[in-house]
Amino acid sequence: GESVGLHLPTLSVQEGDNSIINCAYSNSASDYFIWYKQESGKGPQFIIDIRSNMDKRQGQRVTVLLNKTVKHLSLQIAATQPGDSAVYFCATRGSTLGRLYFGRGTQLTVWP
Amino acid sequence: EAQVTQNPRYLITVTGKKLTVTCSQNMNHEYMSWYRQDPGLGLRQIYYSMNVEVTDKGDVPEGYKVSRKEKRNFPLILESPSPNQTSLYFCASSLIAGYLGEQYFGPGTRLTVT
Repeated sequence: GESVGLHLPTLSVQEGDNSIINCAYSNSASDYFIWYKQESGKGPQFIIDIRSNMDKRQGQRVTVLLNKTVKHLSLQIAATQPGDSAVYFCATRGSTLGRLYFGRGTQLTVWP
Repeated sequence: EAQVTQNPRYLITVTGKKLTVTCSQNMNHEYMSWYRQDPGLGLRQIYYSMNVEVTDKGDVPEGYKVSRKEKRNFPLILESPSPNQTSLYFCASSLIAGYLGEQYFGPGTRLTVT
């Protein structure tokens, strides 16, 4: 079956530094990728997405990079702030429309 | 305010006692889905619905039922709950299934089955 994995379950960074969260996926046919942020006690919240016909997409302080050759994507957060502390999930759309596969999440902690 | 609501937010029940977790969205979204979240496992899809009267299984459908009789509601039914269904449950919706990125998630329902 399809799987999505994260490289590190936890990441600690200093406020103001850049953060990079990595994710690997198994299905080479995956064509759509999403990053979610989940703050404590809340449901996941959409951050940014990217389609397989792109290598890079930028949002506000966030950049997603997609490397289809090695089936890897990353989320970069610039100038990380305490409010960025949360669990970050990557997800991929399955071969079947409507299916979504999540990674296990990376807990990002930002230290002042 | 655009939102997905779930009820109850917290529930403690006993093995075998049927329960329903309700989910409602006010955004006229076609697509709705249920997920469970367990420590170290991320979110796993239970069931999803592309539109009214159309539902399909996700990764972990065993022990769960759903129905989509109206566009706004997508209840999750546990006919005979067991302790391994103790989990945090999220309902989500998006405008269409082809664009799942901007899924709106509910606040979650924490279920404990003893």
